[in-house]
Amino acid sequence: DGGITQSPKYLFRKEGQNVTLSCEQNLNHDAMYWYRQDPGQGLRLIYYSQIVNDFQKGDIAEGYSVSREKKESFPLTVTSAQKNPTAFYLCASSEDGRTYGYTFGSGTRLTVV
Amino acid sequence: KNQVEQSPQSLIILEGKNCTLQCNYTVSPFSNLRWYKQDTGRGPVSLTIMTFSENTKSNGRYTATLDADTKQSSLHITASQLSDSASYICVVSFHAGNNRKLIWGLGTSLAVNP
Repeated sequence: DGGITQSPKYLFRKEGQNVTLSCEQNLNHDAMYWYRQDPGQGLRLIYYSQIVNDFQKGDIAEGYSVSREKKESFPLTVTSAQKNPTAFYLCASSEDGRTYGYTFGSGTRLTVV
Repeated sequence: KNQVEQSPQSLIILEGKNCTLQCNYTVSPFSNLRWYKQDTGRGPVSLTIMTFSENTKSNGRYTATLDADTKQSSLHITASQLSDSASYICVVSFHAGNNRKLIWGLGTSLAVNP
């Protein structure tokens, strides 16, 4: 089945540590996105990539980094510079940056302990 | 300011009943409007996508309407089922230069009780 796989589903991090969230898609989509979801707030865009080896900052990129070395993979690193990293992280893809529909992964819940 | 407001914030209905969720937006220039269903702890799943020229679109028991003049949309759920319990999120897309940006609503939390 085609889709997006995010792993792990739950992740715990100690303060001061970097952590990487995985996102893999087998939909042959060009564009991929990372969102953050917090209670009482709409989804906020962290980073997006419309093509391999290229990515752009979203609205809340500070404290995060990404790479897009392969079309199917778009990992997100939450660095120690992110002051409030506890959140639900969602990865999405679309056929290209101009089409209407997103396919989302199941999310990763990151908790800082 | 580009905004998307959804109402009600939460809703409880009995199984088999109908309900309507509202989405008002001030986004401009408008590109399209989408409704997503998000189960707890899961990613959103697209229900409908509507462009400026469309005023009604159905997906099974879900029917979305769009009034681009008043900048309002609604999502009507017919004959609700327990599995309809979820958050329903309205998302509006607008043109920003050569890009298209999304504004996400906060969602309506729907609980369908037996």
